[in-house]
Amino acid sequence: NAGVTQTPKFRVLKTGQSMTLLCAQDMNHEYMYWYRQDPGMGLRLIHYSVGEGTTAKGEVPDGYNVSRLKKKKQNFLLGLESAAPSQTSVYFCASSYLGGLETQYFGPGTRLLVL
Amino acid sequence: AQTVTQSQPEMSVQEAETVTLSCTYDTSESDYYLFWYKQPPSRQMILVIRQEAYKQQNATENRFSVNFQKAAKSFSLKISDSQLGDAAMYFCAQNTGNQFYFGTGTSLTVIP
Repeated sequence: NAGVTQTPKFRVLKTGQSMTLLCAQDMNHEYMYWYRQDPGMGLRLIHYSVGEGTTAKGEVPDGYNVSRLKKKKQNFLLGLESAAPSQTSVYFCASSYLGGLETQYFGPGTRLLVL
Repeated sequence: AQTVTQSQPEMSVQEAETVTLSCTYDTSESDYYLFWYKQPPSRQMILVIRQEAYKQQNATENRFSVNFQKAAKSFSLKISDSQLGDAAMYFCAQNTGNQFYFGTGTSLTVIP
């Protein structure tokens, strides 16, 4: 099993550009999450999904959109429509079989630099 | 709003010694879960230990144990017989419903 994978590992964007980060898991997990990690801030939840076709806002959702398509529930996409320097961060995807006590399995992270 | 506070940005411990990392949290929920995650320089987040709030017994995983004080909303991590491989950032996290809240982390250095 590959676990949780993230694509790309590193990306540089110019202000105003758009991009999509891909998270994929092969553990048949229902729950998937997107976090951002900034220095001195810990991890903050951006959006999450509790099953295919569902998404919900986390703590810091502004400027991001997500997609969890039916028939492709193993994928969870994070989109930036118009990147801003404030979105420079390390982005982590995680998944779990259910919420609550279930262990979250994290991807290796994507480092994004917005100039 | 839920908050998780780690008041020790940095800690150090001599190899083979014991160290305790502190964490406090604030929630109005009665049903929740608590976690400690380790993040080595590779940036991979690794679950160290977890605790159900309704359980009074403190969780243990080999050299790692917690001191869970529900009334005080405190959840500290004790690492016994510290090893060089324990050097990492440690994050405390609290889960309520579908939301997870992380502390700002404690950087642990292990001195040979």
